[in-house]
Amino acid sequence: DGGITQSPKYLFRKEGQNVTLSCEQNLNHDAMYWYRQDPGQGLRLIYYSQIVNDFQKGDIAEGYSVSREKKESFPLTVTSAQKNPTAFYLCASSRGHELYGYTFGSGTRLTVV
Amino acid sequence: AQTVTQSQPEMSVQEAETVTLSCTYDTSESDYYLFWYKQPPSRQMILVIRQEAYKQQNATENRFSVNFQKAAKSFSLKISDSQLGDAAMYFCAYRSVFNDMRFGAGTRLTVKP
Repeated sequence: DGGITQSPKYLFRKEGQNVTLSCEQNLNHDAMYWYRQDPGQGLRLIYYSQIVNDFQKGDIAEGYSVSREKKESFPLTVTSAQKNPTAFYLCASSRGHELYGYTFGSGTRLTVV
Repeated sequence: AQTVTQSQPEMSVQEAETVTLSCTYDTSESDYYLFWYKQPPSRQMILVIRQEAYKQQNATENRFSVNFQKAAKSFSLKISDSQLGDAAMYFCAYRSVFNDMRFGAGTRLTVKP
């Protein structure tokens, strides 16, 4: 079955460390997105990519980095520059410019210890 | 920038009753799509219903229907015959041709047996 796989489900990071969250899709979707979810704030866009080897910053890109070397994969790195990284992270994909809803992964809960 | 507002942080409904969740949005565009997503305790985002702005007819999916008022920029979700499994966070979202999806802050729905 097609879908989006995020791993790991739970991730713990020490302060000052970089961590990478994985997002893989087999839906043949062109566009992929990373959102951060905090209580009471809904989903906020971190980065998005509409084609391979191209990506754009969202509203809260500071302290994060991404790559899009393959259509299927869109990993997110949370760097030590991100001051408050503890959150729930959601990856999504869609068929590019077509106005369809997103398909979401099951999320990664990142906690700084 | 487009904004989506959900003015009800929490709502509750008796099982088998009807509840309406409110959503308003701000845009200067004429062509866009609106969505309602459900996020149960598993935190998996599930598309509930979608409305194309150029269609005057309100979308319906089984027990879920919307009241789309384009001039008022309002997009409410009505859940009929509420079930215990409807308990979740509900997010209203907006997407247009030139923009990524924008989410409201969410409404937490409790269903009382």
